[in-house]
Amino acid sequence: QVQLKESGPGLVQPSQTLSLTCTVSGFSLTSNSVSWVRQPPGKGLEWMGAIWSGGSTDYNSALKSRLSISRDTSKSQVFLKMNSLQTEDTAIYFCTRRILLWGQGVMVTVSS
Amino acid sequence: DIQMTQSPSFLSASVGDRVTINCKASQNINKYLNWYQQKLGEAPKRLIYNTNNLQTGIPSRFSGSGSGTDYTLTISSLQPEDFATYFCLQHNSFYTFGAGTKLELK
Repeated sequence: QVQLKESGPGLVQPSQTLSLTCTVSGFSLTSNSVSWVRQPPGKGLEWMGAIWSGGSTDYNSALKSRLSISRDTSKSQVFLKMNSLQTEDTAIYFCTRRILLWGQGVMVTVSS
Repeated sequence: DIQMTQSPSFLSASVGDRVTINCKASQNINKYLNWYQQKLGEAPKRLIYNTNNLQTGIPSRFSGSGSGTDYTLTISSLQPEDFATYFCLQHNSFYTFGAGTKLELK
């Protein structure tokens, strides 16, 4: 069954680094791209970045300086790391295969 | 970066109505435009891809059109389950979402 599932801390302190994991099943990361998309409460969707099937990455220019996406194909996992978090980074974070199949999302609150 | 301007932000309609939602790109996106539906507490669901291709399992009352910079999602006869938020997404150059249209029951 094709699935994606995000995991990570629900609460992060301001100025700290967010680390999220997307664990996939039913498909290969070497044949599919995975993107991270976030959605602040009650607001719209923002594409954050992607890791392509070949392993290269691209990022939203607004987040590029703070964001890193990587993967471990042996574990079928994709990782997101974003530093210098602020309250406006509070959002639901989704991973998605080709912006078609989505995980359930993980809520991340940035607060002291 | 390509910007997407979606309108209207809110739309009030009744069951059976025909509604249209628009997205305008800041440059030609060559029909690389998808439409998504999102219900509260759920991940988005793709309805239409590449302007006018209906995703498998999506009812035919949903349709898409457009070219160049201007694109439209049409729902021909609203059903109760269609009241949700709709987003466009351009994928001509990386990805950019529209701000969303919340479709509410009048």
